[in-house]
Amino acid sequence: QSALTQPASVSGSPGQSITISCTGTSSDVGSYSLVSWYQERPGKAPKVMIYDVSKRPSGVSNRFSGSKSGSTASLTISGLQAEDEAYYYCCSYAGSSTFVFGGGTKLTVL
Amino acid sequence: QVRLQESGPGLVQPAQTLSLTCTVSDGSISGSGYYWTWVRHLPGRGLEWIGYIYYTGSTFGNPSLKSRLTLSLDTPANQFSLRLTSVTAADTAVYYCARDGDGRGYWFDPWGQGTLVTVSS
Repeated sequence: QSALTQPASVSGSPGQSITISCTGTSSDVGSYSLVSWYQERPGKAPKVMIYDVSKRPSGVSNRFSGSKSGSTASLTISGLQAEDEAYYYCCSYAGSSTFVFGGGTKLTVL
Repeated sequence: QVRLQESGPGLVQPAQTLSLTCTVSDGSISGSGYYWTWVRHLPGRGLEWIGYIYYTGSTFGNPSLKSRLTLSLDTPANQFSLRLTSVTAADTAVYYCARDGDGRGYWFDPWGQGTLVTVSS
């Protein structure tokens, strides 16, 4: 099991949209529509933003959306706000009751 | 809303056993239908799924840790636990407990605040 591949960092100005990619393989992202995304701020518990590729838990802003094409999943944040600055991690089911996370992406709001 | 809180030693000596407990509040582990999960944040490397235990006691672990890992439930105490044997500096991390989001076991919410465990002599 290798970690999913995410860009180390992305940035955007307030009001803009950004997309974070998450590339896996045919054994994980490519085989299952079971990708979730987590926001992690320093000293805070991770928070789920997206599950099942594109579903939003109640309470998560509709500025967050997810998609998948082949073995690459993506998280898009529209109308960027200062409070969105955080690390974002993707996670995929990898079969046989196992999971693999991405390496994390630092989002900077300029 | 269920709440989770990790507890355990913050410092473990190399080659010893790391033991952590997650206490669940405002919700019951027994009969819950949920998977109870451990994830760690390795410094400079991001999140790693450690494993989870179903409310029935069935356990599932990361293949890279499986030989060293034991997960267990203490339903009367409404707690679940992790034991990781033969630790090295590479096991230094913030350890989180979490529940799965909807009983299917494919995403994790909510999470505890995390506890830092340092492996060092």
